Amino acid sequence: DVVLTQSPLSLPVTLGQPASISCTSSQSLVNTDGNTYLSWFQQRPGQSPRRLIYKVSNRDSGVPDRFSGSGSGTDFTLKISRVEAEDVGVYYCMQGTHWKTFGQGTKVEIK
Amino acid sequence: EVQLVESGGAVVQPGGSLRLSCAASGFTFSSFWMSWVRQAPGKGPERVANIKEDGGETYYVDSVKGRFTISRDNAKNSVYLQMNSLRVEDTAIYYCARDESKSFDYWGQGTLVTVSS
Repeated sequence: DVVLTQSPLSLPVTLGQPASISCTSSQSLVNTDGNTYLSWFQQRPGQSPRRLIYKVSNRDSGVPDRFSGSGSGTDFTLKISRVEAEDVGVYYCMQGTHWKTFGQGTKVEIK
Repeated sequence: EVQLVESGGAVVQPGGSLRLSCAASGFTFSSFWMSWVRQAPGKGPERVANIKEDGGETYYVDSVKGRFTISRDNAKNSVYLQMNSLRVEDTAIYYCARDESKSFDYWGQGTLVTVSS
């Protein structure tokens, strides 16, 4: 199985400041169709995961534009340009190029 | 509005069985692959099984092969997960999720399965 490694695992941030989460894959996530199927999910406390980003950099409907995704091949990043209180939660990367697997999660909290 | 509503979670003894259900609404159910994804306490999600639009293909994570069976009824807009020979390590919240762009764009609220003696 493809292993996704996220860093950091814990991310204390100041309100209004940027935040960045890294996701590294054990294999290339470029699919035979040319697409790269890397998604990012947010899970607020007590809630189901919510998709924010799909195919590396495409934001889902209703996702604030302070969230952005980037990367290629095996290295990917989720950035929050200015953290707000509602962004507290655990963030997961997930790959769909192979049997779908998730990273171990990054907990974002306010300092 | 897309909605996925799971039911059937319970406390069960090791070796027991459960059948989870997921009722879908707000979209053309028969046009989408569907998945069951579980999340053990304090852990990240793990896809357990998925099923093709017409039910003709199914796939499972190795740890549940031979014990779990995913199925669907497009007339009832529902997907199911039959879980047999349950183990303590199957304890988790089980989510129903819609497959889209080799990802999951909608998730249900989840149903808790606890395997304990």
